[in-house]
Amino acid sequence: GENVEQHPSTLSVQEGDSAVIKCTYSDSASNYFPWYKQELGKRPQLIIDIRSNVGEKKDQRIAVTLNKTAKHFSLHITETQPEDSAVYFCAATPSGYSTLTFGKGTMLLVSP
Amino acid sequence: KAGVTQTPRYLIKTRGQQVTLSCSPISGHRSVSWYQQTPGQGLQFLFEYFSETQRNKGNFPGRFSGRQFSNSRSEMNVSTLELGDSALYLCASSFGGVTGELFFGEGSRLTVL
Repeated sequence: GENVEQHPSTLSVQEGDSAVIKCTYSDSASNYFPWYKQELGKRPQLIIDIRSNVGEKKDQRIAVTLNKTAKHFSLHITETQPEDSAVYFCAATPSGYSTLTFGKGTMLLVSP
Repeated sequence: KAGVTQTPRYLIKTRGQQVTLSCSPISGHRSVSWYQQTPGQGLQFLFEYFSETQRNKGNFPGRFSGRQFSNSRSEMNVSTLELGDSALYLCASSFGGVTGELFFGEGSRLTVL
């Protein structure tokens, strides 16, 4: 089955800095890669996703890049703000599946 | 429209007891997945139900089981509770036909004493 590794487990940045979270996956059949944000005490929510037919996707201050050859994908957050503080999870799954294999999460702390 | 609803939100049990958790998906969603969330382990997949059938299953012991009803509501049951079962149990719903966004409930926090 799929295995997703996520690094770092914790990340502290100053407000306005950029943050990068990296994930690797094992199943070459995976072609859907979402990122979820979970604020303290809240439910995980999708913030951005990418499919294997594209290499990069942007949505305002967040972007995701995918390298299928190397089997890794990354989340980039620019101009970080305190409200970006949360746990971020990457995930991967093959097409046609409704279930996701998640990484163990990255706790991002943005200090004012 | 209403989001994913999980009940109960909090519960405390003792070792050896059993527990049943409930999940009501978003209207129109036919897939319900269950995940166990513990500190440091992230979200671990338990099982997925689609149209009342278990479609996928994670690597959890047989003490963990589930079912789905004709209205897509789902329940999961954990029998013979162990201390290590203490966790936040999240359910997520989706249309189920095409890989896409999962909509999570707020979870049921289970504490086993």
